Parts: sequence; C-alpha cells; structure tokens
Amino acid sequence: QVHLVESGGGVVHPGRSLRVSCAASGFTFSNYAMQWVRQTPGAGLEWVAVISYDGDRKLYADSVQGRFTISRDNSKSTLYLDMNSLRPDDTGLYFCARDSRTYGDSYADYWGQGTLVTVSS
Amino acid sequence: DIQMTQSPSTLAASVGDRVTITCRASQTISNWLAWYQQKPGKAPKLLIYKTSNLQSGVPPRFSGSGSGTDFTLTISSLQPDDFATYYCQQYSISWTFGQGTKVEIK
Repeated sequence: QVHLVESGGGVVHPGRSLRVSCAASGFTFSNYAMQWVRQTPGAGLEWVAVISYDGDRKLYADSVQGRFTISRDNSKSTLYLDMNSLRPDDTGLYFCARDSRTYGDSYADYWGQGTLVTVSS
Repeated sequence: DIQMTQSPSTLAASVGDRVTITCRASQTISNWLAWYQQKPGKAPKLLIYKTSNLQSGVPPRFSGSGSGTDFTLTISSLQPDDFATYYCQQYSISWTFGQGTKVEIK
C-alpha cells in the first residue's frame, strides 16, 4: 500500500528557510518521479515542483523558481523541498505526491496528507 | 501558462442526482486531464486520468469525457460519500489545477 508522510512544516519568519520532507513506503520509490503541490487559501491547488525518478530532471513553478529546491534520496525513499527566502504567500499546506511515471510528466496518483507551512512575522 | 476554468464553483445536489462538472483549458491539452476529489482535511484523491480512465478502486458512477479544451466529470447517481470538492488538472504543459467545484447537499 502506497504511503506518503510529509514532515517539517512549521511557522517561519519571512525571508527565512525551511526544509520539508516526505517519507515514502509501499512501492519502489526509485522507479517514480515525485511532485510537490501546495494548497493555499488564495491560489487553491498549485503545483510547486517535480523531480524525475533519478533526480536528474527538476522543474519548478515560476512562483518558486530560484528560491525552492527539490531533491530526493532514493536510498532513504525520501523526498525533500528546501524553501529559501520564504514569503507570506508561500503559506499553505504542502503535499508530496507520486507521479504516475518516471520522468514527471504525468498526473499524481497518490498523495500524502500534507504538512503546514506558515510564513509570518 | 495554461489556465483551467471549472464551472460551477459550487453545486447543490441531492443523493441520487446526476451531477456534471465542466473544466475548460485556455489552450488545447489533447486528453491530458485528470480529476481529483478532496474532502476537508484530506489529501486529494485521483479519480480519473487521461480524460476518461477510471483510477483503480473508483466507483463506476464516476466518468470523464472531452478532448482539446473542454472536459466533463459526471457522477451518474450522487452518493453521500461524494459530497466533496472536485478539481481538474492538466498535465499537457507543466501542471495546472482548476479552482475547484464544491458539491454540497441540497
């Protein structure tokens, strides 16, 4: 059974950094691309970033390009999102999701429950 | 960027009703469209992928159709468990979600 568990969310001041993680189980993590999607009151569901199965291909939404970095450790079946220069409009529930394919060009077939990130002074 | 517009934003219906939600893309996305269901406090759940393919375990009362820019999610006979918010998502170029359609009890 596919299981994705996010962690690392919290309250952070504007301009600061935060790393959120996603622990995967129940499938061969290294065979799938992975995505981060956030849900905010203002923008609804917003795709944030995707990483290919091997970590070689990474794509970002324009709103986070240059500030966020997606990465993965296949030996630990864990996905990461490093968030720098955080802004109040980055506040939201961050979901990790499994892409249905290896290169990250498809839909998300399984989602975690999310971790809440609040950017506020 | 491809914009996705869902309608209606809110829909009030009764158990047993046939419900239709539409999703329009700002440019053609072929059939690269998925539908998700989300309940309060829960993660989105994949219902349909590639416009009309039912995800494993999803009841057959859910169906999807369309192509190009216009798509539809239909629930043939609304059940109590179906009251939720539904989102479309295109994955033709990058990924974009619609703003959601909340299905409420009438």
